[in-house]
Amino acid sequence: GAVVSQHPSRVICKSGTSVKIECRSLDFQATTMFWYRQFPKQSLMLMATSNEGSKATYEQGVEKDKFLINHASLTLSTLTVTSAHPEDSSFYICSARGTRGEQYFGPGTRLTVT
Amino acid sequence: QQPVQSPQAVILREGEDAVINCSSSKALYSVHWYRQKHGEAPVFLMILLKGGEQKGHEKISASFNEKKQQSSLYLTASQLSYSGTYFCGTDSLGNTPLVFGKGTRLSVIA
Repeated sequence: GAVVSQHPSRVICKSGTSVKIECRSLDFQATTMFWYRQFPKQSLMLMATSNEGSKATYEQGVEKDKFLINHASLTLSTLTVTSAHPEDSSFYICSARGTRGEQYFGPGTRLTVT
Repeated sequence: QQPVQSPQAVILREGEDAVINCSSSKALYSVHWYRQKHGEAPVFLMILLKGGEQKGHEKISASFNEKKQQSSLYLTASQLSYSGTYFCGTDSLGNTPLVFGKGTRLSVIA
């Protein structure tokens, strides 16, 4: 299957700072990528759809000014958590859409805000 | 709208079979199945498109009943490596983000 990487895998930051998470499709071009958030033992909650060359589409309740998404190329999307607070601590996972609509997930980023 | 998965959890002994169900209140274009192990990202298993097809992946197969808006994942002769949480993801229009069920936690014991 296709490979998606995510960096960093784990990050600890202080309240009020910003954190950038990178998502790369390594062996295919992805015009569409997705960002999810997952709490322990819960399902994946879609945050936003990232489209190359255009603005991201955010799900209801997700603050676009807080979670900045940039899809700079066909292989890279970034999520920046701005002015992070402890409640932003979570497991963030990106995925890239394949040609049949299937999604290939990155390994995830565990964010801890202290 | 989030699809409903059942059961929520199941424990199997090696070699036993299991069925995981996924149902939606909306008409579906496709159903996707993923397996997630603890602390890792979900891994794509298979995609089923409307048309009532059944697909197989090693000893794991799935069916999709478009009329009933249901899909089932079949795990036969389970192995320890099958343990994890299985999620179904549904797409109602063919090009929309997947909506995932709450997951079914499968534990295979020796």
